[in-house]
Amino acid sequence: DTEVTQTPKHLVMGMTNKKSLKCEQHMGHRAMYWYKQKAKKPPELMFVYSYEKLSINESVPSRFSPECPNSSLLNLHLHALQPEDSALYLCASTEGQGVSLHTEAFFGQGTRLTVV
Amino acid sequence: SQQGEEDPQALSIQEGENATMNCSYKTSINNLQWYRQNSGRGLVHLILIRSNEREKHSGRLRVTLDTSKKSSSLLITASRAADTASYFCATARFQKLVFGTGTRLLVSP
Repeated sequence: DTEVTQTPKHLVMGMTNKKSLKCEQHMGHRAMYWYKQKAKKPPELMFVYSYEKLSINESVPSRFSPECPNSSLLNLHLHALQPEDSALYLCASTEGQGVSLHTEAFFGQGTRLTVV
Repeated sequence: SQQGEEDPQALSIQEGENATMNCSYKTSINNLQWYRQNSGRGLVHLILIRSNEREKHSGRLRVTLDTSKKSSSLLITASRAADTASYFCATARFQKLVFGTGTRLLVSP
């Protein structure tokens, strides 16, 4: 199984809502990532988890809260978002890594988020 | 920012022609990877080239890497309409994978 599964595929939420995005992989990968992608732009790194610990936070606003309950799951909790947060949110995973990334990343199909 | 720059931003060719995309980056890297994205959905890994490699082939894909110039190129030979997509280079440094600006490729039948 070389899949990364993201749910939901689409999400519309109000600015006062709380929602969560979910990501799951069963490849035994120990590094997982959240990216945000606006239309016609490259994916931008948000968070990196390595061995279930948050290792990189790219100065993401606190209204985005990541969680890694176990080595197969990654969540992104959303609260009090703004319309400009509307984007495609992509999850990815790579094999276990120490200091450096040496292998390819496997991406999910993304969650298209619209904040109204 | 480590983000790479790609050119051209957009490329339109006929089926059977070759397509070349270039990527430049700013910092030292562990490796450089190329990805493809169809219609704004998930990215698919195409090829990875390590910092001590100069050229790599995979099917119709040929990637070069020049670490002295901090640049890479992706060549797709004998293109097909199904190759229509956005292509991104991504540089791996420590635990980060950072994407370039991307090239939108349109292959017409």
